[in-house]
Amino acid sequence: GQQVMQIPQYQHVQEGEDFTTYCNSSTTLSNIQWYKQRPGGHPVFLIQLVKSGEVKKQKRLTFQFGEAKKNSSLHITATQTTDVGTYFCASPSGGYQKVTFGTGTKLQVIP
Amino acid sequence: DTAVSQTPKYLVTQMGNDKSIKCEQNLGHDTMYWYKQDSKKFLKIMFSYNNKELIINETVPNRFSPKSPDKAHLNLHINSLELGDSAVYFCASSQKRGFGDTQYFGPGTRLTVL
Repeated sequence: GQQVMQIPQYQHVQEGEDFTTYCNSSTTLSNIQWYKQRPGGHPVFLIQLVKSGEVKKQKRLTFQFGEAKKNSSLHITATQTTDVGTYFCASPSGGYQKVTFGTGTKLQVIP
Repeated sequence: DTAVSQTPKYLVTQMGNDKSIKCEQNLGHDTMYWYKQDSKKFLKIMFSYNNKELIINETVPNRFSPKSPDKAHLNLHINSLELGDSAVYFCASSQKRGFGDTQYFGPGTRLTVL
């Protein structure tokens, strides 16, 4: 079945440093979503990417979808303590009926 | 005002008991889901309902039985609870069935089986 791996599993950064998480799939993805889950919270939708090579920005967050649509990345510039949480990518599976979530990357920001 | 609500927020119970978790969404969405998040934070879909009809039933023990009395509610009943059922259970909803629609998650129910 489809597997979506995220790396790294954990990342500790000093406040102000950049952070990147990568999502890799064994199969071509039609589109991909990103979610953020704060500690003790629930996943919250961030963005969806659809086109090959697509790049979208949300303030300090930059999302990319690979040319082959098999990978995606989320880059945070100049991290802040409010960026702490686990970031998940998610992709369609089961004939578009459901979502398969990546393994997640837990980000810790040291003030 | 809460879009997707779940009750209870915490549930501590003994092995072998039966328990239920309730979920309600006031977004007018057609599709609702149950997810299980284990201690390693893996999020896995369990069930999906569209307009009260079951459309996804992952490989979940039949001790877990979802019920959707109407499209705004999706409850989860668990029989004969086991230690391995300890996890956070999230309810979610989306406007339409299928991927491509934003999923709105509830606050989660932390289930601890002793």
